[in-house]
Amino acid sequence: SQKIEQNSEALNIQEGKTATLTCNYTNYSPAYLQWYRQDPGRGPVFLLLIRENEKEKRKERLKVTFDTTLKQSLFHITASQPADSATYLCALVPGSGNTGKLIFGQGTTLQVKP
Amino acid sequence: GAVVSQHPSRVICKSGTSVKIECRSLDFQATTMFWYRQFPKKSLMLMATSNEGSKATYEQGVEKDKFLINHASLTLSTLTVTSAHPEDSSFYICSASRGSDEQYFGPGTRLTVT
Repeated sequence: SQKIEQNSEALNIQEGKTATLTCNYTNYSPAYLQWYRQDPGRGPVFLLLIRENEKEKRKERLKVTFDTTLKQSLFHITASQPADSATYLCALVPGSGNTGKLIFGQGTTLQVKP
Repeated sequence: GAVVSQHPSRVICKSGTSVKIECRSLDFQATTMFWYRQFPKKSLMLMATSNEGSKATYEQGVEKDKFLINHASLTLSTLTVTSAHPEDSSFYICSASRGSDEQYFGPGTRLTVT
């Protein structure tokens, strides 16, 4: 069956450390994968998109990798801050026929402690 | 740019009544809008995809007669929950796409059916 899984429900780290979140998928061939941030009671906010032919993407303190062999994406936040505390969602567009339809993982809630 | 609004942000209604939720793209024309629902501590589940001027495409298991979607213009889509029941209580989120890979999410609508 098709699955997209973020392997930690919650992650607690100390301020200044690097947070690494994992997203694994099964039985999909995504054209690209996206990462979103969601704060409680709010809609998701787009962070980064990485395509199947890209290995890595960076934006300020954020870095995303995409390994189509392992069927995995890693999301890193370097020099983490308490303000980074939120739920982070990965999402993929299944297949190459782009209808824009997004399939979301269940999210990882990151808590950065001062 | 790329701001999406939803109205209302919260609504409480009695069982058996219908509720309409609006989703607007404020500063761009949305070729496609998507409707999601999210239960507490769960991920977003796509309900339907709507293109302006055509019928919405519903995901498997979503009752199209219960969740009526209208996409009357390039900046407005509405979701009407008909004959709402307590199990319809959820967080409903829309997103809009202007044809690129990014989706811009609204802030969500919390529906409580009593």
